[in-house]
Amino acid sequence: EDQVTQSPEALRLQEGESSSLNCSYTVSGLRGLFWYRQDPGKGPEFLFTLYSAGEEKEKERLKATLTKKESFLHITAPKPEDSATYLCAVQALGGSEKLVFGKGTKLTVNP
Amino acid sequence: ETGVTQSPTHLIKTRGQQVTLRCSSQSGHNTVSWYQQALGQGPQFIFQYYREEENGRGNFPPRFSGLQFPNYSSELNVNALELDDSALYLCASSRPREEAFFGQGTRLTVV
Repeated sequence: EDQVTQSPEALRLQEGESSSLNCSYTVSGLRGLFWYRQDPGKGPEFLFTLYSAGEEKEKERLKATLTKKESFLHITAPKPEDSATYLCAVQALGGSEKLVFGKGTKLTVNP
Repeated sequence: ETGVTQSPTHLIKTRGQQVTLRCSSQSGHNTVSWYQQALGQGPQFIFQYYREEENGRGNFPPRFSGLQFPNYSSELNVNALELDDSALYLCASSRPREEAFFGQGTRLTVV
């Protein structure tokens, strides 16, 4: 069964204090790994898709990386507006294109 | 380009009642997926529709059913509501083998 585990569950940073979020996964065959940002009471907002080990993608202060077992979301010099829950999901090869999500990491950036 | 829209945004129902949630997919997207997100958890896959046919189902009982229409909009129906059905219901649309974009969700409360 496909599974995603995210750590830590919650992370508090000071503005400008860089850190990383972890997403460990097991999947029968990986078609893609996805990162989403979710604000309270809202739907997830798409950030990145990674398809193969070694791949990296960047957007503003965020950088996502992928290995065969895990993905990291690096946040460089975060700002208070980066506060949100970050969700990681995997999509397996074949069958439906369902996403299997982790529980998320709740990030709080204090000014 | 119009994004994914869901209606209603909030809903309160009594245990045992039936509910219908609606989703308009993003322009050009022919795949719609529904997810249930309990408080503090990641979204859980309910089912997916591709060109009006069910294309995968998660571990949800038959009282969760759906439809996709020729314009690719979709409905999620839940019969015999239970207290545990209280959650944020998310609709996501996509093109095949591309990232999914989510709506803002419908918050369902069962009392």
